[in-house]
Amino acid sequence: KNQVEQSPQSLIILEGKNCTLQCNYTVSPFSNLRWYKQDTGRGPVSLTIMTFSENTKSNGRYTATLDADTKQSSLHITASQLSDSASYICVVRDLSGSARQLTFGSGTQLTVLP
Amino acid sequence: DTEVTQTPKHLVMGMTNKKSLKCEQHMGHRAMYWYKQKAKKPPELMFVYSYEKLSINESVPSRFSPECPNSSLLNLHLHALQPEDSALYLCASRLTTGNTGELFFGEGSRLTVL
Repeated sequence: KNQVEQSPQSLIILEGKNCTLQCNYTVSPFSNLRWYKQDTGRGPVSLTIMTFSENTKSNGRYTATLDADTKQSSLHITASQLSDSASYICVVRDLSGSARQLTFGSGTQLTVLP
Repeated sequence: DTEVTQTPKHLVMGMTNKKSLKCEQHMGHRAMYWYKQKAKKPPELMFVYSYEKLSINESVPSRFSPECPNSSLLNLHLHALQPEDSALYLCASRLTTGNTGELFFGEGSRLTVL
């Protein structure tokens, strides 16, 4: 069964600090991995997508990495801002072609304090 | 236009009421999804429509009735709900179910069943 596990479950940091969120998956065959940001009570918004051949991808202060061999991904946030407070969800897609092909992680709840 | 629009944003209903959630997109996407999300949990897939036809029903109780009147609209009809059905209901769309592109989410409809 495909699984996506995220750690830590929650994280509190001070504004301006950096942090790294982790995502481990057992989805096979792997297609791609996306990191979504979800503000409380809002829909998730895609931050970045990683395909099999990509190791690192940046989107502003967000940098995602992927190690397809160990099936691990990380999301690094640089110089955090109060608006970064949100849930960050790792979503992995398989190659089954089924509409059920997305497996969601449980998310990391990030709180940035002033 | 890269938006998925959901209405209403908030809905409070009694267990005997009949109400509907609406979702609209004008990106030409032919795959549309309903997800249910409880607090601090990842979204759970409920229904998938592909080319306006229901392709997946994840054993959702019949008190939830989806409808896809055309390629831009997706409805979720609610009847005789239970308090445990209170959740954030997310609509999402992508080009097709087999496409690897981004799944675009709406902002959600927050449902409270009294």
